[in-house]
Amino acid sequence: DGGITQSPKYLFRKEGQNVTLSCEQNLNHDAMYWYRQDPGQGLRLIYYSQIVNDFQKGDIAEGYSVSREKKESFPLTVTSAQKNPTAFYLCASSLLGTPYNEQFFGPGTRLTVL
Amino acid sequence: GEDVEQSLFLSVREGDSSVINCTYTDSSSTYLYWYKQEPGAGLQLLTYIFSNMDMKQDQRLTVLLNKKDKHLSLRIADTQTGDSAIYFCAESINSGGGADGLTFGKGTHLIIQP
Repeated sequence: DGGITQSPKYLFRKEGQNVTLSCEQNLNHDAMYWYRQDPGQGLRLIYYSQIVNDFQKGDIAEGYSVSREKKESFPLTVTSAQKNPTAFYLCASSLLGTPYNEQFFGPGTRLTVL
Repeated sequence: GEDVEQSLFLSVREGDSSVINCTYTDSSSTYLYWYKQEPGAGLQLLTYIFSNMDMKQDQRLTVLLNKKDKHLSLRIADTQTGDSAIYFCAESINSGGGADGLTFGKGTHLIIQP
């Protein structure tokens, strides 16, 4: 089955620790995205990548880092510099060249920092 | 800057029509989207509309776009309990088929009364 997988579904970390969230897609999509969702808030863009080894900051990139070494994978690291990391993180991907840029979303990872 | 506004809650009786409203500020938006999110899950694209269209219908869903007022609505006919979810309005200003993070509203919780 084609799709986007995110792991783990729930993640707990102690304050001050870096943590990496996984996102993998087998849709052969070019672009991948990371969004953060807080209760009562919409999704806010953290980072996105159009091609391998290239990525751009979104609206709230501070305290986060990403890599895009493979087309299928776009891991997100939440660093200790992120002041309020507890949130629901959603990964998405899309095929470039389509006019309406449909983004397909993974099931999300809920990160809780204790 | 870009901003997308939605009311946070809508309560309707099962079998009635639901109308979820959204306003946006970026007049250069090319595509507008409605996504559905069920509890603890990722987002699912319901429908989208190109900015030069006024209306789009897809089975029980009708999207109306008033470009002059920058107002978008989603009508769900014959609302069922399975329609209970958060509905997000989103916009994209991408017109060239490239990657672009979407700008989301905060989401409308649709509550179905029996």
